[in-house]
Amino acid sequence: DGGITQSPKYLFRKEGQNVTLSCEQNLNHDAMYWYRQDPGQGLRLIYYSQIVNDFQKGDIAEGYSVSREKKESFPLTVTSAQKNPTAFYLCASNDPGHPTGNQPQHFGDGTRLSIL
Amino acid sequence: GESVGLHLPTLSVQEGDNSIINCAYSNSASDYFIWYKQESGKGPQFIIDIRSNMDKRQGQRVTVLLNKTVKHLSLQIAATQPGDSAVYFCAERGGTYKYIFGTGTRLKVLA
Repeated sequence: DGGITQSPKYLFRKEGQNVTLSCEQNLNHDAMYWYRQDPGQGLRLIYYSQIVNDFQKGDIAEGYSVSREKKESFPLTVTSAQKNPTAFYLCASNDPGHPTGNQPQHFGDGTRLSIL
Repeated sequence: GESVGLHLPTLSVQEGDNSIINCAYSNSASDYFIWYKQESGKGPQFIIDIRSNMDKRQGQRVTVLLNKTVKHLSLQIAATQPGDSAVYFCAERGGTYKYIFGTGTRLKVLA
């Protein structure tokens, strides 16, 4: 089935440690996104990528980094500079160039990151 | 584990009744709107979308209404079922890669 796979489902970070969250899609979408979800808040954009080898900061990029070396993959690294990393992280993709011009984002099932 | 807010507004409906979930959006220039369903511990699932040049769109058991005058979006679910219990939130597109998400409403279906 086509979709977005995020791994791991649960992740624990120690003080001073960087951790990487995986996101893979087989939908052939050009655009990929990382969001953070906190209780009582709407999704907030961390980074997005329009195409391979390109990415842009979102609203809350500080303490995070990404890469887009392959169309299918958009990993997110939560660095030690992110002081409040505990959250549910969601990866999404879509095809903004679709002929209809309107394509919803498709989401993975998330990674829950907690601090040890 | 719980992935969405524990203090979201809650709508409780009897099984078989119709549900109406509302959303106020922020940007009058937004041109595309989406409703998502999110179950606990899972990612958001697309339900239905609507473009700004429409005021109503119907899917299977769901209808989205758009009122641009008051910047209001609603999702109607017909004959609500236990499997509809989840958090529902709207999203608006304010730019090609810029989506603004609502905080959501929890729907509880009572047997």
